[in-house]
Amino acid sequence: AQTVTQSQPEMSVQEAETVTLSCTYDTSESDYYLFWYKQPPSRQMILVIRQEAYKQQNATENRFSVNFQKAAKSFSLKISDSQLGDAAMYFCAYRSLRTSYDKVIFGPGTSLSVIP
Amino acid sequence: EAQVTQNPRYLITVTGKKLTVTCSQNMNHEYMSWYRQDPGLGLRQIYYSMNVEVTDKGDVPEGYKVSRKEKRNFPLILESPSPNQTSLYFCASSEGFRNSPLHFGNGTRLTVT
Repeated sequence: AQTVTQSQPEMSVQEAETVTLSCTYDTSESDYYLFWYKQPPSRQMILVIRQEAYKQQNATENRFSVNFQKAAKSFSLKISDSQLGDAAMYFCAYRSLRTSYDKVIFGPGTSLSVIP
Repeated sequence: EAQVTQNPRYLITVTGKKLTVTCSQNMNHEYMSWYRQDPGLGLRQIYYSMNVEVTDKGDVPEGYKVSRKEKRNFPLILESPSPNQTSLYFCASSEGFRNSPLHFGNGTRLTVT
């Protein structure tokens, strides 16, 4: 069974600095998708970035980028030039590519605080 | 506006009283799903529906039912709620599955006493 681990329950970063949130996963599948979702205090779930496992190039969305290491099964999120609005819970998620069923596994989350 | 609408946002009920949480999407998405969020556990998949003809269990389906009679709606039914179902619930939809990102509703905070 697939699992997703986020080893940092809480993190903090100074405004304008860079922070990296870690995510590791376990799977026997070779093709899958990985996502980072953000959940601000409003509790809305917002897609931050996604990565296809068959692509070696790391995904980037403005100030957000990932470091995808397939062999190590690692998928960390880097936030550059942190802003107060980045304060939120961040969830790493794995989605299987199997056609016979759908499996979406979320990590336990990392709560990020941004210090002014 | 493209969105997933869940109702109600907050619900307090008593053990054993049947309830339904509604979910509707206006994006013509094939795929819909339900999750519960608990502290330290992240979100866990309850049920999902790949289209109106296919519905299947996720990781924590016990105590829940779903219905997909039409494409846009996917209600979550708790026939006999128990206190361990106190949680934050999310409905989500996506255009397909696999690589498609999930679009989430605003969540329903359920308390069962």
